[in-house]
Amino acid sequence: GAVVSQHPSWVICKSGTSVKIECRSLDFQATTMFWYRQFPKQSLMLMATSNEGSKATYEQGVEKDKFLINHASLTLSTLTVTSAHPEDSSFYICSAEYNEQFFGPGTRLTVL
Amino acid sequence: AQKITQTQPGMFVQEKEAVTLDCTYDTSDQSYGLFWYKQPSSGEMIFLIYQGSYDEQNATEGRYSLNFQKARKSANLVISASQLGDSAMYFCAMREGLLGSGGSNYKLTFGKGTLLTVNP
Repeated sequence: GAVVSQHPSWVICKSGTSVKIECRSLDFQATTMFWYRQFPKQSLMLMATSNEGSKATYEQGVEKDKFLINHASLTLSTLTVTSAHPEDSSFYICSAEYNEQFFGPGTRLTVL
Repeated sequence: AQKITQTQPGMFVQEKEAVTLDCTYDTSDQSYGLFWYKQPSSGEMIFLIYQGSYDEQNATEGRYSLNFQKARKSANLVISASQLGDSAMYFCAMREGLLGSGGSNYKLTFGKGTLLTVNP
């Protein structure tokens, strides 16, 4: 099956710093990648849809200046959480679309 | 807009027994796809099973089957012969359009999930 990786798998950072999360499709090219956020014991919430070579489309209520998404190639999308605060602590999951969505293993972000 | 409802926050089942996880959906689309995912405590999303809106037969994948009742807009997941490793969160999801229909940018709408615990 199609494999999607995320890096890092977990990260702890200080409040005010920025954190970059990478999402890679390892064995296929994905024109579209999705970024989700998941709080403990809750469902996945779609943050944005990322298309290669164009600006991401953000869901209502998601701050585009805080969650910067770059999709520079058909196999890589990045999510940068800028000036992170403790309330940004969450589990971030990406998926890459090739007919269906294939999910990465997720990144657990903890902001101190 | 699409909506997925999972009314069971938690379910318990004895090992080796079958369990049904409920999922109802709402959509005005004629073509849509329904999915079930398993999320263990590690966090990864594991695809279990898919049902297209025009599929007349219920989908099956090993111990998983999807009880698709289109008129009632329900897509319940049945797990037969539960195993301890089945303990996890289960999410029902849907998307506009069928798998294999081409195109991209197909968003998934997720339900709130059901936490399944399998007891020895």
